[in-house]
Amino acid sequence: QKEVEQDPGPLSVPEGAIVSLNCTYSNSAFQYFMWYRQYSRKGPELLMYTYSSGNKEDGRFTAQVDKSSKYISLFIRDSQPSDSATYLCAMSDYGNQFYFGTGTSLTVIP
Amino acid sequence: GAVVSQHPSRVICKSGTSVKIECRSLDFQATTMFWYRQFPKQSLMLMATSNEGSKATYEQGVEKDKFLINHASLTLSTLTVTSAHPEDSSFYICSADLRRGAFYEQYFGPGTRLTVT
Repeated sequence: QKEVEQDPGPLSVPEGAIVSLNCTYSNSAFQYFMWYRQYSRKGPELLMYTYSSGNKEDGRFTAQVDKSSKYISLFIRDSQPSDSATYLCAMSDYGNQFYFGTGTSLTVIP
Repeated sequence: GAVVSQHPSRVICKSGTSVKIECRSLDFQATTMFWYRQFPKQSLMLMATSNEGSKATYEQGVEKDKFLINHASLTLSTLTVTSAHPEDSSFYICSADLRRGAFYEQYFGPGTRLTVT
């Protein structure tokens, strides 16, 4: 079993839809959770990070962590064509070893 | 803040030659830098982890003599692909870690597309 599981998609939604991206993990030692966005042929860009259960909001993006279920989500409200990218979840414990999901490919159709 | 650069962004080389890729953390010092490889529409594959002033730690299946990593300072790591072959053609991405309180964040460079002819 992989440390981090993420549905690769692809996910296709109409512009304006709410997008839900999810990851599950098996290691209860993970304390720090990150979401990256990667456009085609570019390096991943850190979108959001959180280290506690609950929600963290930044503009149209909300990161949610449920440590009891070992489940994290990224919600995108009012999705735009410019949100079309691959989204990777990542997590770590107190060290600098990171565990990445495989990424979910998202396309927002105008 | 937390910007990582890579150079070159794209390189084409002939089979049998060597190519060096530079990774720099521009506005912070990184204890550790990471090198990844990514094939089209696939996930990141960690190749090696390098700490400043010490030998890199390679992932299983990655040839350390083929992919030479040098981490000369807290802001610079280099990856040299030696005796490159067409199967080495790929997208190479570096990242650097930045400590924030009790945790580390990882910031990625823009990537280098290597094509071996």
